[in-house]
Amino acid sequence: KAGVTQTPRYLIKTRGQQVTLSCSPISGHRSVSWYQQTPGQGLQFLFEYFSETQRNKGNFPGRFSGRQFSNSRSEMNVSTLELGDSALYLCASSLADATTDTQYFGPGTRLTVL
Amino acid sequence: GQNIDQPTEMTATEGAIVQINCTYQTSGFNGLFWYQQHAGEAPTFLSYNVLDGLEEKGRFSSFLSRSKGYSYLLLKELQMKDSASYLCAVRDNNYGQNFVFGPGTRLSVLP
Repeated sequence: KAGVTQTPRYLIKTRGQQVTLSCSPISGHRSVSWYQQTPGQGLQFLFEYFSETQRNKGNFPGRFSGRQFSNSRSEMNVSTLELGDSALYLCASSLADATTDTQYFGPGTRLTVL
Repeated sequence: GQNIDQPTEMTATEGAIVQINCTYQTSGFNGLFWYQQHAGEAPTFLSYNVLDGLEEKGRFSSFLSRSKGYSYLLLKELQMKDSASYLCAVRDNNYGQNFVFGPGTRLSVLP
């Protein structure tokens, strides 16, 4: 069974631009969660989607948004990029409920904002 | 709020045993996970504890004491490939969040 896939793997943007990251969960998994990982803050939860609905949200500004499609694939969008948004963005999928099931991570998208 | 602490770095010798500790404070505890993350790679699931006690899985074991807010990951017969960061994560139902991760412990295994 294929693992979680994320595209693109690397991305370079400039301040003020916007970016969209994509995540395809493990087949059969319906929950997708997004995390930001930086050297200073570690792994921080962004949001979780289940059945095309945002179910949980972390403490990030509204510039960070996401959505999930009927096939469980998810996208994350960051608008008006700031230098501090440079990070590894990880998505994780789980069977049905991210609060009770084990999460499996994708390889991440490394975003650099210049 | 939530607070998870782990040592920042540890060093051990190939073939030895190392214990990585994790302490946490949370009011909506619903499980503790350990993940391994090699540099530049995604975290991979190692173990899960929701009840007190020891869970053994090959060379890796994880222990949980809910009353003490304490867990450890025990790695036996260390190999060079075990050099990685080890992340402790708590699932907390009270804050609408899935996982709260600790800062991670960077383990270096020396020959």
